[in-house]
Amino acid sequence: DAGVIQSPRHEVTEMGQEVTLRCKPISGHDYLFWYRQTMMRGLELLIYFNNNVPIDDSGMPEDRFSAKMPNASFSTLKIQPSEPRDSAVYFCASRPSVAPKQFFGPGTRLTVL
Amino acid sequence: GQQVMQIPQYQHVQEGEDFTTYCNSSTTLSNIQWYKQRPGGHPVFLIQLVKSGEVKKQKRLTFQFGEAKKNSSLHITATQTTDVGTYFCAERRYNQGGKLIFGQGTELSVKP
Repeated sequence: DAGVIQSPRHEVTEMGQEVTLRCKPISGHDYLFWYRQTMMRGLELLIYFNNNVPIDDSGMPEDRFSAKMPNASFSTLKIQPSEPRDSAVYFCASRPSVAPKQFFGPGTRLTVL
Repeated sequence: GQQVMQIPQYQHVQEGEDFTTYCNSSTTLSNIQWYKQRPGGHPVFLIQLVKSGEVKKQKRLTFQFGEAKKNSSLHITATQTTDVGTYFCAERRYNQGGKLIFGQGTELSVKP
């Protein structure tokens, strides 16, 4: 099993540009989570999906952020337009419905200049 | 905001010394999970505690859940350089898809 796959691993962009982060969860996992990690705010849940349906997006900071899960093996987190304060490491995690353990991907380190 | 408080924020120890991090909540926790994140890495699940007063051990690591289910601790005996990283506690919200509410983490550095 390859684990949770995220791409890109690093992204450097300029303020105002659109950024798309990608995630492939572990096959068979029903839940997918997007987290953001910063020094100031720690690890924060942005949104999670169950069976490809967004369930709780209360952590999404503002309308510039959107997330989709078109199928069980792919999810995207989009920021448009990006701002310097969006700089962070974004983690995707997945878990099966029958187990409490979340499996995290390697993360995408985003830098917005 | 954070509803699970974790202390200390940083801990520097000499190799061989013990280490403890504490997680506290003002409300009763349904359960507590612990994760370890190595520098530059991603969080990795260590354990979940569910029962009041529960104690679990993994080699040199001892995890405890308080009797009132409002606090938890992770204790490492005789630290090694491989223990370096940030340790997070997290409450798993059963009725919210199992989403995790993380503490701020304790960063452990071990001097050889």
